[in-house]
Amino acid sequence: KAGVTQTPRYLIKTRGQQVTLSCSPISGHRSVSWYQQTPGQGLQFLFEYFSETQRNKGNFPGRFSGRQFSNSRSEMNVSTLELGDSALYLCASTAGGTDTQYFGPGTRLTVL
Amino acid sequence: AQSVTQPDIHITVSEGASLELRCNYSYGATPYLFWYVQSPGQGLQLLLKYFSGDTLVQGIKGFEAEFKRSQSSFNLRKPSVHWSDAAEYFCAVGANDYKLSFGAGTTVTVRA
Repeated sequence: KAGVTQTPRYLIKTRGQQVTLSCSPISGHRSVSWYQQTPGQGLQFLFEYFSETQRNKGNFPGRFSGRQFSNSRSEMNVSTLELGDSALYLCASTAGGTDTQYFGPGTRLTVL
Repeated sequence: AQSVTQPDIHITVSEGASLELRCNYSYGATPYLFWYVQSPGQGLQLLLKYFSGDTLVQGIKGFEAEFKRSQSSFNLRKPSVHWSDAAEYFCAVGANDYKLSFGAGTTVTVRA
């Protein structure tokens, strides 16, 4: 079974731009979670989607948003990028019921 | 809210020696506990998980962890370390809400 895939793997943007990251979960998994990883703050939960509905949200500003499609694929969007948004963005999928999250390789976002 | 503490930021171990990584969690009920490993520039790979039952859990790559409720700990161990075990290790706690809280991570260096 294929793992979680994330595209693109690397992105370079400038301040003020917006960016969209994509995540395809493991086949059959309906829950998708997003995390931000930085050297200073570590791994922080962004949000989680199930059946196209956001069920849980972390403590991030409204510039961070996401959505999930009917095929469980998910996207996250960051608007008005700031230098501090430079991070590795990780997506994880879950079969359900146990919190066992399987992570993708991440998207490395650099904001200049 | 749940939280995780990994007291050791960096551990250096000789190849063939044993390894123990410490993890303490804070959560009111019985948590879901996980250990993940991350190689540079990669996503997180699940090593093992604890939900209930036997407090000693076996994982991949020869790792095991022991859940001790009285000490709120979930320490990871490996009897004999290989050079390929050099990576960053994260302990995480979940509360069946699809939101994992991670520790700050422990970087393991393996010397020949």
